[in-house]
This record gives sequence, structure tokens and C-alpha cells, in this order.
Amino acid sequence: DQQVKQNSPSLSVQEGRISILNCDYTNSMFDYFLWYKKYPAEGPTFLISISSIKDKNEDGRFTVFLNKSAKHLSLHIVPSQPGDSAVYFCAASVSGTYKYIFGTGTRLKVLA
Amino acid sequence: DVKVTQSSRYLVKRTGEKVFLECVQDMDHENMFWYRQDPGLGLRLIYFSYDVKMKEKGDIPEGYSVSREKKERFSLILESASTNQTSMYLCASRTGASSPLHFGNGTRLTVT
Repeated sequence: DQQVKQNSPSLSVQEGRISILNCDYTNSMFDYFLWYKKYPAEGPTFLISISSIKDKNEDGRFTVFLNKSAKHLSLHIVPSQPGDSAVYFCAASVSGTYKYIFGTGTRLKVLA
Repeated sequence: DVKVTQSSRYLVKRTGEKVFLECVQDMDHENMFWYRQDPGLGLRLIYFSYDVKMKEKGDIPEGYSVSREKKERFSLILESASTNQTSMYLCASRTGASSPLHFGNGTRLTVT
């Protein structure tokens, strides 16, 4: 049973436009969520996180939105740049535990 | 910046060999993790260590063991490598609960 799902395996966006990556989860106990970016032949790099007490967190061009009632989170990248082309993973955790459940990733391609 | 270093980027081993994957972090993090990443399956936790000499099994510990003799170093051991252990192995560390994981660049292991 996949508790964290990224239903879009890939996404293409024009440079300068908004990229929206989506993630759904099923476990209502999750209260800490993260997004990672992964380039080929490198490990995942932490981008941004959000706690369930918030519904939005921003860091520069990256904004994460959390909709607890829908069990949905999204990552917005504005404006998108060619260097953003990578695989993006969402992850969810229950605070105080060591378990992070990862989605299977969405490959973002930003077209110049 | 947190640095998590995995000693090998690529390894090729034969079935039945004992394999050691080494990971070192330089940020005095309490917690360290070993994951494997396979296409379509996301990241799956093999073992977690919350302190020196302390460990917990993750979701897929079968065929693996770990060692943490020093705070900065966490080793993954494949006692008798098998072809189904061909994968990308990722080490990670974190400061504590509800904090992001910081990953190394991974070791791509091929067992023939």
C-alpha cells in the first residue's frame, strides 16, 4: 500500500512559467512533509519542508502548499529555470519518528 | 553545509561476496539511515541508527546488517550479496526528529 503517491511520472514546463508538482498521501497521522530534488548520479537534495500546523511555506522560488483535508501537497516553482530539471520526490513523516515515506518521484523538464 | 560522504560511487561484486558500504557525516548528527532506491519503488528504509551502537530495522532489513561504532560513521553490510541486491544505496543523516534528511551521493551496487 503506497502511502505517498506522486501520480505524474513526468512534467514539462517552459522556462519562466510555473511548475506545479503534486503529491497525495493517505495516512492522516503524517504531520511533517518534505520535498527533495535529485539530479542524475547525485543523492536527493532537501528543498523545503512544511509542518501540518501550516498550510504554506515559502523559500525563494519554491513554495509548498498543504491541504490537510484533501491529504494533498504541492510544490510550486516560480519562475522555472532549466537548472530545475530534475526528479522531485515528496516525503511524509510522523513527528518524532524515524520513518519517512517517499513518493516515487516526478521528472520535471524545464524547456529553454 | 551538511556533508554526507559515501566511500564508493560504483561497486561491482559477485554473488556470495561480503560487501561493505561506508558512510561518513561531518555535522555531528545523531541519526543516520540507509536506504535503497529502485525504479518505481521510491526510497525504502533498510536500517536506521539513532545513536552509536544503536540501530532499528527499517522496512527491508533482510540480507543486510549495519554497524555504527562512531557517531560520524554508519556502515551497511551485505553478508552474502545476491543479484536482487543490485540497487542504488543512499546514506542519510539528520539532527533529530522532525528535521530533514541529508543524503550522500549514493553507491550504485551491481551484483553479478
